[in-house]
Amino acid sequence: SQTIHQWPATLVQPVGSPLSLECTVEGTSNPNLYWYRQAAGRGLQLLFYSVGIGQISSEVPQNLSASRPQDRQFILSSKKLLLSDSGFYLCAWSEAVDTQYFGPGTRLTVL
Amino acid sequence: GQQVMQIPQYQHVQEGEDFTTYCNSSTTLSNIQWYKQRPGGHPVFLIQLVKSGEVKKQKRLTFQFGEAKKNSSLHITATQTTDVGTYFCAISGTYKYIFGTGTRLKVLA
Repeated sequence: SQTIHQWPATLVQPVGSPLSLECTVEGTSNPNLYWYRQAAGRGLQLLFYSVGIGQISSEVPQNLSASRPQDRQFILSSKKLLLSDSGFYLCAWSEAVDTQYFGPGTRLTVL
Repeated sequence: GQQVMQIPQYQHVQEGEDFTTYCNSSTTLSNIQWYKQRPGGHPVFLIQLVKSGEVKKQKRLTFQFGEAKKNSSLHITATQTTDVGTYFCAISGTYKYIFGTGTRLKVLA
């Protein structure tokens, strides 16, 4: 069966510090991968998606970037965090554009 | 771009009362999905509707896709405290999904 992992689960970072969040999927090949951000009590904002290794599509211009160095690995990064980057970061995968399966998420607080 | 409106934003009900959330699109949809996110958790897929006028049931949950495939509803009969959470609809585009703003349900015991 397929599983999706995200780490860390929680993170507190100072403004201006770098960020690296990792997501890995097991039990499937060539999945579509997604990064979402959810502000407290709000909806899901799609940040990036990837349909293959090295293929990244950005939905929202900002100080975040994403990379997919391996088929089942998706990384979200920032060189300098802003206060507005605080939120709940969710990674998800799907086979083609079908059911999305979400990871447990990372709660990021930028102080 | 494509958008989906979801109403209401919040709903408080007494345990045992019914609950309905609606999603509306200005364009015809190929399909619509529903997800539930428990407080502090991540969204979990509930169901996908594809056919015009389709109705699907999962225990006390009834999902409906409009005849024109521009709207959908999720109805919960006799809510329980375990139904608490945020319910999202989602529509799929090329390679990606667009989520509704969600309806946050609180059930008062």
